[in-house]
Amino acid sequence: AQSVSQHNHHVILSEAASLELGCNYSYGGTVNLFWYVQYPGQHLQLLLKYFSGDPLVKGIKGFEAEFIKSKFSFNLRKPSVQWSDTAEYFCAVNPPWWDSSYKLIFGSGTRLLVRP
Amino acid sequence: NAGVTQTPKFQVLKTGQSMTLQCAQDMNHEYMSWYRQDPGMGLRLIHYSVGAGITDQGEVPNGYNVSRSTTEDFPLRLLSAAPSQTSVYFCASHRAPGRINSPLHFGNGTRLTVT
Repeated sequence: AQSVSQHNHHVILSEAASLELGCNYSYGGTVNLFWYVQYPGQHLQLLLKYFSGDPLVKGIKGFEAEFIKSKFSFNLRKPSVQWSDTAEYFCAVNPPWWDSSYKLIFGSGTRLLVRP
Repeated sequence: NAGVTQTPKFQVLKTGQSMTLQCAQDMNHEYMSWYRQDPGMGLRLIHYSVGAGITDQGEVPNGYNVSRSTTEDFPLRLLSAAPSQTSVYFCASHRAPGRINSPLHFGNGTRLTVT
């Protein structure tokens, strides 16, 4: 089945530690990829997106993600996390063009807790 | 510019009751959708609409109805509430009717509890 997998459901880090959250998708072909963040009590906000071009994408708040087509992966990274990065992170994929449904498929999310 | 507005923010229903979750956007977006968010399951698409008068089912449509009589509004109706529908519901919109190649704009959510 077509899906988006986020392998880490809960991650706990100390401030200044490096972060990498995994995301794998099962679609073949060209896809659009997104990372969204949900801070406690708030709605989802876009962190970054990949459509084409440079596979290393930079987003807001120092986040970046690397698209590796051969691995069907779009991992999120940040060199040094802050307490304010505590949130839930969702990877999302827009299926290829031949999938005529206009859907954004989300992963199950990763809850990040950053300890001061 | 209010963006995507959802009402109510909180709602408690008894099993079997019906209600409508409201969603309105003022950005003239063609595409609107409803998601439910449950712990460990991420966001799952309930219904979506690519324009006024056009709706389609998402992953988990059972127990929900939608309509899109105007570009601005996309209400979600629970026909006969069940405890399994306890969740947080998010409405989202997107500027183009086609593939999602720009960010979705999310509302602030409605937390629904069915007892």
